[in-house]
Amino acid sequence: DTGVSQNPRHKITKRGQNVTFRCDPISEHNRLYWYRQTLGQGPEFLTYFQNEAQLEKSRLLSDRFSAERPKGSFSTLEIQRTEQGDSAMYLCASSLLAGTTDTQYFGPGTRLTVL
Amino acid sequence: GQNIDQPTEMTATEGAIVQINCTYQTSGFNGLFWYQQHAAEAPTFLSYNVLDGLEEKGRFSSFLSRSKGYSYLLLKELQMKDSASYLCASLDSNYQLIWGAGTKLIIKP
Repeated sequence: DTGVSQNPRHKITKRGQNVTFRCDPISEHNRLYWYRQTLGQGPEFLTYFQNEAQLEKSRLLSDRFSAERPKGSFSTLEIQRTEQGDSAMYLCASSLLAGTTDTQYFGPGTRLTVL
Repeated sequence: GQNIDQPTEMTATEGAIVQINCTYQTSGFNGLFWYQQHAAEAPTFLSYNVLDGLEEKGRFSSFLSRSKGYSYLLLKELQMKDSASYLCASLDSNYQLIWGAGTKLIIKP
């Protein structure tokens, strides 16, 4: 296993369109996170899963955003009716929560541009 | 509230040493992480501290003081490839990472 992968790497869309991103975590990892990052800022938490259960979703997250992890393996993040403010890098990370250690490993990200 | 503070930008010279500081206030604490992020790339894991003291890993070392809510990342023998943003993140009581905005490190020849 070579790490976390994300597809696509880049996505350009028009305002109002729906987009879907995919994340494949490291295979033995039980936790999967989605973040959004804009220039000059740290990652902003969106949501996370432990196995197939979505345990938390950011209160700042609009209802236009939804994420799934149906079989506890890969995950998808969908943004409906995209807006220009959604333009950002979308990062996925996975981890193996074991005891009190939970190191997150990131995928390469999907850069979204909304025109 | 939860807060992570680190300098926005630092400049250092190739071959020198630089220390990047981070102070944190989070709901509960399960450790402090440092990540490196090159421009337009994803963060990569550098270090994890949960106990007080210094952890050394090659040219990079990370220090933690839990009582002071303080950490630093020390980079020695700086190389041009060390030019990047360095992100400090605290793992809170829910095992979620609370991130700083990152410190952009500029290395000059």
